[in-house]
Amino acid sequence: RKEVEQDPGPFNVPEGATVAFNCTYSNSASQSFFWYRQDCRKEPKLLMSVYSSGNEDGRFTAQLNRASQYISLLIRDSKLSDSATYLCVVSAGGGSYIPTFGRGTSLIVHP
Amino acid sequence: DAGVIQSPRHEVTEMGQEVTLRCKPISGHNSLFWYRQTMMRGLELLIYFNNNVPIDDSGMPEDRFSAKMPNASFSTLKIQPSEPRDSAVYFCASSEGAGVLETQYFGPGTRLLVL
Repeated sequence: RKEVEQDPGPFNVPEGATVAFNCTYSNSASQSFFWYRQDCRKEPKLLMSVYSSGNEDGRFTAQLNRASQYISLLIRDSKLSDSATYLCVVSAGGGSYIPTFGRGTSLIVHP
Repeated sequence: DAGVIQSPRHEVTEMGQEVTLRCKPISGHNSLFWYRQTMMRGLELLIYFNNNVPIDDSGMPEDRFSAKMPNASFSTLKIQPSEPRDSAVYFCASSEGAGVLETQYFGPGTRLLVL
């Protein structure tokens, strides 16, 4: 089993739709979780951190389910500009900050 | 701040040649990461420095790859000799500390093509 797994997609949705991605991780000791966004031929950029209690930033909501070892990203009212690849990042604990990136989920928002 | 700076942005070379990629992290950041991204393998961590010291290089594919960080504002990733399978986008990233909650800031990447 890979350390961090994501459905590569693409998820093809119309503007205004709500879309959700999941990311599963294998290391139960993982301590920190992030979602990054990567536009075509650009570098990854932090979208949001994922806290144990869940967190929301505008149209974006991230949640952590430790029991089932997955994190999720929900995007409401999708915009054309949301089209990108969304990378899940998981960091191990124990004093070691070694981030593991998922392969990413591709989102295409069409008019 | 200009963000993380990488050079060159594009590199085309022939198999067997030495390739040197350069990175200037964000001023004040203590951690630096080198990544490689390919369609087949996604984004892979190659090596991680904290306070200029290599902490984890388990992702470095083989002895042909080496990385240095002689000071807080400069790092290099060298491939010698290069091979076609090294073709990828190489990203450098930096973060302010070494804690598990630190955000990484990526440079624009170096697109390497080895013929």
